[in-house]
Amino acid sequence: DQQVKQNSPSLSVQEGRISILNCDYTNSMFDYFLWYKKYPAEGPTFLISISSIKDKNEDGRFTVFLNKSAKHLSLHIVPSQPGDSAVYFCAASERAGGTSYGKLTFGQGTILTVHP
Amino acid sequence: ETGVTQTPRHLVMGMTNKKSLKCEQHLGHNAMYWYKQSAKKPLELMFVYNFKEQTENNSVPSRFSPECPNSSHLFLHLHTLQPEDSALYLCASSQDEVSTGNTIYFGEGSWLTVV
Repeated sequence: DQQVKQNSPSLSVQEGRISILNCDYTNSMFDYFLWYKKYPAEGPTFLISISSIKDKNEDGRFTVFLNKSAKHLSLHIVPSQPGDSAVYFCAASERAGGTSYGKLTFGQGTILTVHP
Repeated sequence: ETGVTQTPRHLVMGMTNKKSLKCEQHLGHNAMYWYKQSAKKPLELMFVYNFKEQTENNSVPSRFSPECPNSSHLFLHLHTLQPEDSALYLCASSQDEVSTGNTIYFGEGSWLTVV
């Protein structure tokens, strides 16, 4: 049972435009969400996170939005750059009381390609 | 440079070999993790150590044996692996295991090929 799902395996965007990466989750105990970026042959790099007490967190070109009622989060990259081309993983962890408190559950990843 | 260093970056081993993957973190963290990434699958948590004590073994076969001599070092000992164990093995660390807002930082990974 996949608790964190990234339903789009890939996304292609023109340089300068907005990239929107989506992630859905099913576990209502999740209260902390993260996005990681991964280049080929490298480990994932932490990008940005959001706690369930917020619905938006911004860091430079990256903004994460959380819709708790829909159990949906998204990562917006504006403007997109060719160097942003990578695999993006969303991840979630449970709040205290959950069976997997503190541990991250990852989605399958979305391959973002930004064309010059 | 993430502060988590893994060696070797690439390893090819036969099914009867014994080898080890090494991980070192320079972040002062207390929790360390082994993850496995196979092609077209989500990252799979294998083991968790918190303050040198193993707190999670995610139903990993015994041919994978972790060792955590201190909070900065983590090993994954490999013995009689199968070709389907070929994958990217990622070490990670975090401040501690159990906390809200627990951000995990990954190493570059060790590519393992079992022949």
